[in-house]
Amino acid sequence: KAGVTQTPRYLIKTRGQQVTLSCSPISGHRSVSWYQQTPGQGLQFLFEYFSETQRNKGNFPGRFSGRQFSNSRSEMNVSTLELGDSALYLCASSLGNRQETQYFGPGTRLLVL
Amino acid sequence: GESVGLHLPTLSVQEGDNSIINCAYSNSASDYFIWYKQESGKGPQFIIDIRSNMDKRQGQRVTVLLNKTVKHLSLQIAATQPGDSAVYFCAENITPGSTLTFGKGTMLLVSP
Repeated sequence: KAGVTQTPRYLIKTRGQQVTLSCSPISGHRSVSWYQQTPGQGLQFLFEYFSETQRNKGNFPGRFSGRQFSNSRSEMNVSTLELGDSALYLCASSLGNRQETQYFGPGTRLLVL
Repeated sequence: GESVGLHLPTLSVQEGDNSIINCAYSNSASDYFIWYKQESGKGPQFIIDIRSNMDKRQGQRVTVLLNKTVKHLSLQIAATQPGDSAVYFCAENITPGSTLTFGKGTMLLVSP
């Protein structure tokens, strides 16, 4: 099976712009979770989508949003970018059950100037 | 081994040594734990997992130990190789669904 894929891999934006990142899960996986990784804060959970519905949400401002399509592919959007949004954005997929491994994609490196 | 804290601790070992990476988790209600390895420029890669009804699980060259009394998790890597050099994260499953909460990570450096 192909692994989790994320596009684009690298992105440079300026403050105030908005950005959309895409994630394609492993075939058959219905859950997609998004995480932000920074040197200072580590890996922080953004939100999880399961069957096109947001099932869990982390402690991030409303500028961070996401959605999931019927084929389980997911997008996350960040509006009004701030310098502090520079990070590696990771998505992970799983079947969606508890006590189950999540498999990560390579991430999208976002730099906000 | 070093415990995961607010900064990124580093464990330096020689090739062939056994490595022990520690993690203190936060929630006594957590019932599922995973160790991930992250190499530079890549996403976290699954290593091994353990459920709370177990206290030890072994994989290929790796062993995870779980001590629920003190909320402590450790990853033991036998005969460490230079290719094991990476940042290692523990993660716990707390909330309903599959959301994971990650520790800060430990960097493992293996010298030839």
